[in-house]
Amino acid sequence: GEDVEQSLFLSVREGDSSVINCTYTDSSSTYLYWYKQEPGAGLQLLTYIFSNMDMKQDQRLTVLLNKKDKHLSLRIADTQTGDSAIYFCAEIGDTGRRALTFGSGTRLQVQP
Amino acid sequence: DAGVIQSPRHEVTEMGQEVTLRCKPISGHNSLFWYRQTMMRGLELLIYFNNNVPIDDSGMPEDRFSAKMPNASFSTLKIQPSEPRDSAVYFCASSPHVAGGPLRETQYFGPGTRLLVL
Repeated sequence: GEDVEQSLFLSVREGDSSVINCTYTDSSSTYLYWYKQEPGAGLQLLTYIFSNMDMKQDQRLTVLLNKKDKHLSLRIADTQTGDSAIYFCAEIGDTGRRALTFGSGTRLQVQP
Repeated sequence: DAGVIQSPRHEVTEMGQEVTLRCKPISGHNSLFWYRQTMMRGLELLIYFNNNVPIDDSGMPEDRFSAKMPNASFSTLKIQPSEPRDSAVYFCASSPHVAGGPLRETQYFGPGTRLLVL
C-alpha cells in the first residue's frame, strides 16, 4: 500500500528558515498536502500542490515537489515561535481510494 | 461556517463502559472520516464514509468499534466495551468530494475528542 515518511523532529532558531521533508511511494499521487497541528488542536490545512506542479509559494510557505524522486518539502521562511507545531505530509492517489495517506508528522521546535 | 463539530471534547470513562463520539461534518461535504491519534501509532484512519455509506472500515481495530452515519449531517463512533488501550484523541474530518475543483479531496478536521479509559 501507499506509504508516506517524514523525519520526526526539527529544531530551528527564530528567524531562520525551516525545511520539512517528506517522501512517498504512491506513483499515482495526484494531490499532496501539508497540514499543521498545534498542541491540543486538530489538523489544519496549510497548503497543497498538484502532482503536475514543481513548486508553489504562499507567503512564507514554499512547497517543492520532485515527482521523479517522490519527494515533497515545505519551507517556512522567517520561522516564528508560533510556527512550533507538528507538520503532516499527506497524499492522495488516483486509485479510487478517497482517503488521504498521512505521514507520521514532523515536530518543529522554534527556539527564540 | 462552523467547521467540523465534535462532541464531547473530553471523555473520561472506566474500562468496560460504552463510549459514543459524535461528529457533525461541514454542511455540503460528501465524505466523512474518523481518525485516531496516539503517541505510539500516530494518526490512523479508522473508517470513512462517502454519501453516508461506509467505504473502507479496514482501519477499525476490532469488533468493539462501530461507526454509523445515519444522515449527511451526523456520524457516531462507538466503542463497546471500552479498554484502556483505546485512550487516544479521535478526530473526525470531512471533505467536499465533488466532481472537479482543486480541493475536492481536502479534508477539514474537527478539534478532536480526547478519550481516557481508566
